[in-house]
Amino acid sequence: GDSVTQMEGPVTLSEEAFLTINCTYTATGYPSLFWYVQYPGEGLQLLLKATKADDKGSNKGFEATYRKETTSFHLEKGSVQVSDSAVYFCALSDLGLGEKLTFGTGTRLTIIP
Amino acid sequence: DSGVTQTPKHLITATGQRVTLRCSPRSGDLSVYWYQQSLDQGLQFLIQYYNGEERAKGNILERFSAQQFPDLHSELNLSSLELGDSALYFCASSGRTGVSYEQYFGPGTRLTVT
Repeated sequence: GDSVTQMEGPVTLSEEAFLTINCTYTATGYPSLFWYVQYPGEGLQLLLKATKADDKGSNKGFEATYRKETTSFHLEKGSVQVSDSAVYFCALSDLGLGEKLTFGTGTRLTIIP
Repeated sequence: DSGVTQTPKHLITATGQRVTLRCSPRSGDLSVYWYQQSLDQGLQFLIQYYNGEERAKGNILERFSAQQFPDLHSELNLSSLELGDSALYFCASSGRTGVSYEQYFGPGTRLTVT
């Protein structure tokens, strides 16, 4: 079945550092890929998405590129802020198997001032 | 604010009991999904309803059931509760955006079984 493997956390960075959170996937079809963010005590918010190979999703300074050849969708940000501290989830949805989201384990990110 | 509402926010109950979690989707969304978030299992898909009909089933226990009503709100019923059912339960709704379906999550219901 489909699966998502996400970089183990937790990750601690200083403010203005460069962020990469790795995500790779296994899917039988041609999935859409997503990054969701969960702030403390809140639900999940869609951060960005990509629906086909070489698509780049971007939002709030975060970017991720759908790489079919390496089955990856790594999340990057050039300069993180304290307000970016949260848990980040990589997910996929394979319409051929329905619309459900398959999530990675999540990566807790803490930014230190 | 995602537009998806869930009640109650917190629920504390005893083993063996039955509870009902409620979800109202975003205006216009026909699909409702239920997910369970626990420390050991992570985020897992439970079940999806589309316009009142069950559309997909995931790792949902037989003790759990759900339904979607004509006004599109959904309820997740959990019965014969066990300690291991303690988790955050999220509802999400979706509408089509281009070729993909974006899911928008509610704030969740935290269930504690004692």
